[in-house]
Amino acid sequence: GESVGLHLPTLSVQEGDNSIINCAYSNSASDYFIWYKQESGKGPQFIIDIRSNMDKRQGQRVTVLLNKTVKHLSLQIAATQPGDSAVYFCAESLDSGYSTLTFGKGTMLLVSP
Amino acid sequence: DTEVTQTPKHLVMGMTNKKSLKCEQHMGHRAMYWYKQKAKKPPELMFVYSYEKLSINESVPSRFSPECPNSSLLNLHLHALQPEDSALYLCASSHRSGNTEAFFGQGTRLTVV
Repeated sequence: GESVGLHLPTLSVQEGDNSIINCAYSNSASDYFIWYKQESGKGPQFIIDIRSNMDKRQGQRVTVLLNKTVKHLSLQIAATQPGDSAVYFCAESLDSGYSTLTFGKGTMLLVSP
Repeated sequence: DTEVTQTPKHLVMGMTNKKSLKCEQHMGHRAMYWYKQKAKKPPELMFVYSYEKLSINESVPSRFSPECPNSSLLNLHLHALQPEDSALYLCASSHRSGNTEAFFGQGTRLTVV
């Protein structure tokens, strides 16, 4: 289940389940969105991105959905594995030529064997 | 080579010390970034360099001084820091043309005592 504590929201799932991590973004002018995975002691690692002219994009075991009407982004992970345990951040960026990312709060995903 | 390498991995410094963080990439990226990340928080943009020139300074205190000696290297010079500056400092790089994926280093864990 999902819980919101004092700090990071946490999503706990069983191995093999599908996981859905949600994100609300703030700037309606943002045109580029990325999901990053950050494991303990490491820097953020790119998972998948989507541009504002799309509403869905699929990768290997991951799908990103974008709903611009309500400024909502989600990351779906199929057949979640213990190695997927990490903090997941959504990030948004304007088309400025830079990756000046504004990160969302993050969600910790805990996968139990 | 899709790596961004940061040194040192850990740094403990006193409030009167001067130290430098280093970042290196050999992907031919012409945009490089410094982000600051506090525990259980998302990364926050500090500086953006484009073609070795400072393009964005997100109102960072002058005790943090960035430098880009060439297209592969990015430094962050630290002087007279405060304990609240303790954080994970992340370097990233990306292609300069348009919004593209940012590659992050694993960060330098800085503790100011």
